[in-house]
Amino acid sequence: SYVLTQPPSVSVAPGQTATITCGGNDIGGKVVHWYQQRPGQAPVLVVYDDGDRPSGIPERFSGSNSANTATLTISRVEGADEADYFCQVWDSDSDHQVFGPGTQVSVL
Amino acid sequence: QVQLVQSGAEVKKPGASVKVSCKTSGYSFNDHSVHWVRQAPGLAFEWMGWINPDNGGTKYARKFQGRVTMTGDTSISTVYMEMTSLRSDDTAVYYCARERAGATTGEVDCWGQGTLVTVSP
Repeated sequence: SYVLTQPPSVSVAPGQTATITCGGNDIGGKVVHWYQQRPGQAPVLVVYDDGDRPSGIPERFSGSNSANTATLTISRVEGADEADYFCQVWDSDSDHQVFGPGTQVSVL
Repeated sequence: QVQLVQSGAEVKKPGASVKVSCKTSGYSFNDHSVHWVRQAPGLAFEWMGWINPDNGGTKYARKFQGRVTMTGDTSISTVYMEMTSLRSDDTAVYYCARERAGATTGEVDCWGQGTLVTVSP
């Protein structure tokens, strides 16, 4: 089955840029979605189809995908961005949704 | 606004069954598939399957086939997920989530609040 990898944690100072990666074999050939989950809350879709944002999501959130790594970038990080972020792809070989293990973003 | 409201926490013994409900509102029920995802303590989200409320069609993850049944009741805009033969490692928070309109790879744009299912002797 298809496996996604993410760093367990990322720390960033307010106003700086957070970069969260999602690794997978030829993930660039798949479509990646990203979710934010604050403690005790349900997840929120922040980026879909590699780099599109749902309505209401700030432009500070952006995504890219190439080769073996997809990336979620959060610019001008704020305290409210402190959360877990996880990636998702659809694996066509198994016809299953697959989630990454998640990255905890801490705002220093 | 779009809402998915799930039933409350459950405590079950090994071997028992559980049925979690997910009442939707704020959108046309038949227009969006609903996925079920679970998250066990300390583990990644795990996709369980989806149901198309319009025609009742379902797709289950291979791991759960034979143990999970997803159904829908259009009269009350509610979907259900039933799991049988519960084991301790089924202890998790179970979420329903609405598939985004126009989605081609199953991303979801609105989640229920989650239902904690605890399986303990």
